[in-house]
Amino acid sequence: DVKVTQSSRYLVKRTGEKVFLECVQDMDHENMFWYRQDPGLGLRLIYFSYDVKMKEKGDIPEGYSVSREKKERFSLILESASTNQTSMYLCASSFSGIGYEQYFGPGTRLTVT
Amino acid sequence: QKEVEQNSGPLSVPEGAIASLNCTYSDRGSQSFFWYRQYSGKSPELIMFIYSNGDKEDGRFTAQLNKASQYVSLLIRDSQPSDSATYLCAAGAGNNRKLIWGLGTSLAVNP
Repeated sequence: DVKVTQSSRYLVKRTGEKVFLECVQDMDHENMFWYRQDPGLGLRLIYFSYDVKMKEKGDIPEGYSVSREKKERFSLILESASTNQTSMYLCASSFSGIGYEQYFGPGTRLTVT
Repeated sequence: QKEVEQNSGPLSVPEGAIASLNCTYSDRGSQSFFWYRQYSGKSPELIMFIYSNGDKEDGRFTAQLNKASQYVSLLIRDSQPSDSATYLCAAGAGNNRKLIWGLGTSLAVNP
């Protein structure tokens, strides 16, 4: 079974704080993704990585950065959290190549006050 | 803009009926298609994937793909109240590692 874990299920941060969200997968997947999900807006891709130290911007990268130093771990960083970053954050992973299914972690519900 | 479109619902069916969920996609280069189920407050979980035209069955679930019409569907036979969830359709983004996601269809199965 594919296992994707995320560091926190719920997180509350203050405006301006630096926030780290971590994701770990145990299936030796090459691709890892960070999404946010908001009511009525669906899943929106923030960043993805197809190899260690490699990353590509998704549809909404502004205000976020990522780090992938090891194959199994992909971190999302909010440099200076803002209230409009309150959301559900979902990490996913997949095998290398085109069009493979993605497996999701449980999600982190982030609230920025 | 590459898109995947789904009827937002809610789709309401009685217990034991067949639920039919539909999805259309715009990118003719898409070769792989996925159905995910998402319970409220939880993350999406993969139900099925389909790559070839025609039907693919897995238990109570059947995925159907028609590339000429750019249409994907999911049939759930003998629907149960536990099937009540939002169903997300996704398409492989052609020559790309990403998936294009629909907004989801909400399904309610009434006992």
